[in-house]
Amino acid sequence: DQQVKQNSPSLSVQEGRISILNCDYTNSMFDYFLWYKKYPAEGPTFLISISSIKDKNEDGRFTVFLNKSAKHLSLHIVPSQPGDSAVYFCAASEGGANSKLTFGKGITLSVRP
Amino acid sequence: GAGVSQSPSNKVTEKGKDVELRCDPISGHTALYWYRQSLGQGLEFLIYFQGNSAPDKSGLPSDRFSAERTGGSVSTLTIQRTQQEDSAVYLCASSLESGHNEQFFGPGTRLTVL
Repeated sequence: DQQVKQNSPSLSVQEGRISILNCDYTNSMFDYFLWYKKYPAEGPTFLISISSIKDKNEDGRFTVFLNKSAKHLSLHIVPSQPGDSAVYFCAASEGGANSKLTFGKGITLSVRP
Repeated sequence: GAGVSQSPSNKVTEKGKDVELRCDPISGHTALYWYRQSLGQGLEFLIYFQGNSAPDKSGLPSDRFSAERTGGSVSTLTIQRTQQEDSAVYLCASSLESGHNEQFFGPGTRLTVL
């Protein structure tokens, strides 16, 4: 039973355009959401997070939006750069600090020069 | 500073053998996690250590899997009598006990069971 779902396995965008990566979840107890980026043969790297008490968090080119009623979050990257090409994982946790993360299957983003 | 390190980076073993995977967390991080990623799947939680508390073992898939964390630092994940379905990348992460959920991941150990 997938509690965190990333339904699109891949996304291709043109350099300079916006990339929108979507994530849905089913567990209403999740209270913290994160995005990780992963390059081949490396471990995931933390990108951005959002608490369930917020609906938006921004960090440079990256913005995460949370819609609790729809149990949906999205990561926006603008402008997209070729170096952003990687696998992006959505993750969620419940119960606050330092809890185990539940991950989606990931989406492969390709940014075309 | 040094990040999370894992060894070996690759391990090939025969079905039925035991394997040990090692994780060195970031110095000062009190929380340590093990995950695994099977082909085409997301990361799957295995076990979580937090300070001196009893570990959360709820993600271990069978009693063939066990983990230790000695002295609140280095951790070893042991898989006994390996099976082909154990083939995966095993990832370790650590974090501060700070009310923040950012986990820092190591590069992983790729385990192949023949």
